Amino acid sequence: GAVVSQHPSRVICKSGTSVKIECRSLDFQATTMFWYRQFPKQSLMLMATSNEGSKATYEQGVEKDKFLINHASLTLSTLTVTSAHPEDSSFYICSVVLGGYGYTFGSGTRLTVV
Amino acid sequence: AQSVTQLDSQVPVFEEAPVELRCNYSSSVSVYLFWYVQYPNQGLQLLLKYLSGSTLVKSINGFEAEFNKSQTSFHLRKPSVHISDTAEYFCAVTLANQAGTALIFGKGTTLSVSS
Repeated sequence: GAVVSQHPSRVICKSGTSVKIECRSLDFQATTMFWYRQFPKQSLMLMATSNEGSKATYEQGVEKDKFLINHASLTLSTLTVTSAHPEDSSFYICSVVLGGYGYTFGSGTRLTVV
Repeated sequence: AQSVTQLDSQVPVFEEAPVELRCNYSSSVSVYLFWYVQYPNQGLQLLLKYLSGSTLVKSINGFEAEFNKSQTSFHLRKPSVHISDTAEYFCAVTLANQAGTALIFGKGTTLSVSS
């Protein structure tokens, strides 16, 4: 199956700084990638759909200026949390879809803002 | 819009007992259904999915789920659980026949298996 690599797995940053999370598809070209956010003991909430070469589509209530998504190549999408605050602390997971319905997930990034 | 309801937030069971994790969905159009498992601080692993064909789908590790269109349900079952099945389980839906759309998840069910 498809392999998705997500880095870093954990990051601690100071309030007000920016953090970049990378999601790479290792063995196929991903036209579309998805970014989710998961609060402790809760579900995955879709943040945005990232399409290679075009602007991401954000879900309602997600601040696109705060969560910058770039999908510059068919194997890499990045999520940058700008001016991070403690309430941005969460588990962020990326996902790709292969062959229409073959969803694969990265191992997630635990972001802690102090 | 589609939505998923997982009726049980926590399910404690003893080892070797049967278990059912319930999932109901809501959609005005056809959907495909999935079950994922998540271990602490990890991503999601696919357990099984229903796209078409037989409404009973099975995983390699003994789980099965049945798509019931009239009940709008996709409950997950296992006849005998192991300690290693302890994890978070998520039911998810996506639009049928619209490849590449995102999965929408339920809130998850924590399965705790004890000896």
